[in-house]
Parts: sequence; structure tokens; C-alpha cells
Amino acid sequence: EVQLVESGGGVVRPGGSLRLSCAASGFTFGDYGMSWVRQAPGKGLEWVSGINWNGGSTGYADSVKGRFTISRDNAKNSLFLQMNSLRAEDTALYYCARGSCSSTSCPLRHWGQGTLVTVSS
Amino acid sequence: QSALTQPASVSGSPGQSITISCTGTSSDVGSYNLVSWYQQHPGKAPKLMIYEGSQRPSGVSNRFSGSKSGNTASLTISGLQTEDEADYYCCSYAGGSTWVFGGGTKLTVL
Repeated sequence: EVQLVESGGGVVRPGGSLRLSCAASGFTFGDYGMSWVRQAPGKGLEWVSGINWNGGSTGYADSVKGRFTISRDNAKNSLFLQMNSLRAEDTALYYCARGSCSSTSCPLRHWGQGTLVTVSS
Repeated sequence: QSALTQPASVSGSPGQSITISCTGTSSDVGSYNLVSWYQQHPGKAPKLMIYEGSQRPSGVSNRFSGSKSGNTASLTISGLQTEDEADYYCCSYAGGSTWVFGGGTKLTVL
């Protein structure tokens, strides 16, 4: 069974940093592209960032480009999102999601339960 | 990267059919046959219902179907059931390893 478990969320002040992690199990992690998707309280889904199977291709939403960095460690079955210069508008539930193939252009077939990030002074 | 446009809400009675539209641009929906639809019940993670415009993942009811014409994609749910009541989001590949979601549509089954 595919399992994705996010961690690392919490309360951080504006301008601060946070590193999210996603622990994957139940499949060969290195075979699939991965993404981070967020959902602000009471709002819709927003794609944040994606990475292909080997980390050689990444993409970012304009709203986070230059502030967030996605990475992965296939040996540890883990996906990461380094978030710097955090703003109030980054407050959201952050989902880790697995694509249905190895590239960044595949639909998100499996999702975690999310980790909550709150940016507040 | 502007969000795709969806109606805020749609409604239907059990047994009826409804269609949710998703309008993008020639840079996303119109350029790629890579539109996905996700269903999200309150407090739950999203679930993939349609991918590549019209394909259903295994386990998804054939009451769900998708299509695309130009810059607009559509999700149709036939034979509405009470458990279909949820939020629905379209999502399109936008090139350069990026994706864009729609604003979401709340489906109410009356």
C-alpha cells in the first residue's frame, strides 16, 4: 500500500524558514515524480512544486519561485521542501503527492494527509 | 500561471447528470492533453478521478467522464449519488514542469 507521511509543519514567523519532509513507503520511491500541493484554510488547491524521479527536473509555482526548494533522497525514500522567506500567505496545509510516472508531467495518483504550516507573528 | 476558471458551485438531484467546466489558456489546457480532475471531501486528501483529459484510474466509477475542447475541459458526472457531493478541482500541465489548478467547484447533491 502506498503511504506518504508529511512532517515538519508548524508555526513560524514571517521571514522565517521551515523544512517539510515526506516519508514514502509501499512503492519504489525512485521510480516516480513527486509534488507538493498546498491548501490555505477554506481555500482551493494550489500546486507548489514538482520533481522528477532523479531530481534532474524541477518546477515551481510563481508564488514560491526563488523562496522554496524541492529535493529528494531516493536512498531514504524521502521528499523535501525547503521554505525560506515565509509569508503569511504561505499558511496552508501542505500535501505530498506521488505522480503516476517518473517525470514531472504525470497526474498525482497518491496523496498524503498533509502537514500544516502557519506563518504568523 | 493564472488559476484555471471553474464555476464556484453546481448542483443536481440524485440520478441526474452534471457537468463542470474548466477554462484555461493556450499555454495550459489548450496546449497539453494533460488535464486531471480531483475530488475532495471535507477534511480529506484529494483523489484523482480523471487524468489525461478522459482517462479513469482503476477503481473510479464509470459515471465520471472527462473531455476537452480547445482551452476548456469538462468533467461530467452521470447518475448523481449523494456520495458525489464534494469539491472538484481541475488541474492542467502548464509546461516547464509546472501545473496549475482551478479554483474548485462545490458540488451539491440535492
